[in-house]
Amino acid sequence: GAGVSQSPSNKVTEKGKDVELRCDPISGHTALYWYRQSLGQGLEFLIYFQGNSAPDKSGLPSDRFSAERTGGSVSTLTIQRTQQEDSAVYLCASSPGLGAQYFGPGTRLLVL
Amino acid sequence: GQQVMQIPQYQHVQEGEDFTTYCNSSTTLSNIQWYKQRPGGHPVFLIQLVKSGEVKKQKRLTFQFGEAKKNSSLHITATQTTDVGTYFCAGSSGGGADGLTFGKGTHLIIQP
Repeated sequence: GAGVSQSPSNKVTEKGKDVELRCDPISGHTALYWYRQSLGQGLEFLIYFQGNSAPDKSGLPSDRFSAERTGGSVSTLTIQRTQQEDSAVYLCASSPGLGAQYFGPGTRLLVL
Repeated sequence: GQQVMQIPQYQHVQEGEDFTTYCNSSTTLSNIQWYKQRPGGHPVFLIQLVKSGEVKKQKRLTFQFGEAKKNSSLHITATQTTDVGTYFCAGSSGGGADGLTFGKGTHLIIQP
């Protein structure tokens, strides 16, 4: 596609439920990133993929968070047993390998 | 770990005034990127600086990378209402294809 797409655009869930967020990067981009942004705040790095491997998982806030990428393309970020503090916008970005990262529109997650 | 600090956090200017945001890293960077996020939108890549002392211009925007590659600035001349948004710097210590460390951003508010 023309840009990075993410789904769903909005997700409301109850505390304790699992959620799965999806990212479709720009075709051909080898690098894929997940960030989290709370309202009015900066971007918190979560995880980075180069191809299907994740050389940097240092940003995942807890073991409730996991991510995978298959076929060097689509990635899913899974949050298990969601907590209210997980509420944020989850942004995905892709990059051809060096330089600019191209962000998707984000998934707005609200945990009640 | 690497820290990227950005000041000021908020900047109010009258339309037509100049604006500058500053970015400082705790470690030497291999490159620095600047992004703009409009209210309700996602970050959009503006530019990447790689060389020590590099200066790049985009119309009314001037970007500088410090000689020591630990600081950077973005200067906007004669602000317009379309410049409203949050400007983020993001630094990388690696080869470029790794997770960026974002500053918390400078929120630019323009009063007509």
